[in-house]
Amino acid sequence: SAVISQKPSRDICQRGTSLTIQCQVDSQVTMMFWYRQQPGQSLTLIATANQGSEATYESGFVIDKFPISRPNLTFSTLTVSNMSPEDSSIYLCSVGAAGAFAGANVLTFGAGSRLTVL
Amino acid sequence: QKEVEQNSGPLSVPEGAIASLNCTYSDRGSQSFFWYRQYSGKSPELIMFIYSNGDKEDGRFTAQLNKASQYVSLLIRDSQPSDSATYLCAVNRGGSYIPTFGRGTSLIVHP
Repeated sequence: SAVISQKPSRDICQRGTSLTIQCQVDSQVTMMFWYRQQPGQSLTLIATANQGSEATYESGFVIDKFPISRPNLTFSTLTVSNMSPEDSSIYLCSVGAAGAFAGANVLTFGAGSRLTVL
Repeated sequence: QKEVEQNSGPLSVPEGAIASLNCTYSDRGSQSFFWYRQYSGKSPELIMFIYSNGDKEDGRFTAQLNKASQYVSLLIRDSQPSDSATYLCAVNRGGSYIPTFGRGTSLIVHP
């Protein structure tokens, strides 16, 4: 499976600032996703990062708040803009690999970025 | 109703016992079902996936799928303290290749 390097691993940020999280994969991947995991909660998909086009956002997430770049098949960034304490969370980059048949998607995750907003 | 539901636990079992983790899902058209394990402070990692009704075994782990009843379970035999983690159920909704995750069940295996 792919090896994912994600940074920063953690950061403490001030309200109103923005932070960019980087995700580097050791091989070319088609499907790359950004998830959020709030304390005690499950993984929530923010968006699918599409190479060469705009990201596809899930309901409740917008590009102005979470701009995403995907310049090539091995790299993506997620920016958390104008942060508030409610954005304190773990942000996870993940890549997908096809399973035994079409429609299946096995995910490999990066180590995550733990953001604390004061 | 949430799409994927799990009892948050914690589920506490003694070492050597069988741990049974359950998950229900709402979309009857779901095709693929996954169990991920997440240790505290770590990212999730895949344990097993299952597509067909019945049981699928991999070492000490057995995944069970019942599409008619819309539930999927994970059995861990001979539980070890190192199995203590949160277990996330994930389901691919029909027509989507992206899994939806449950909240996870915390498992504690005590010596």
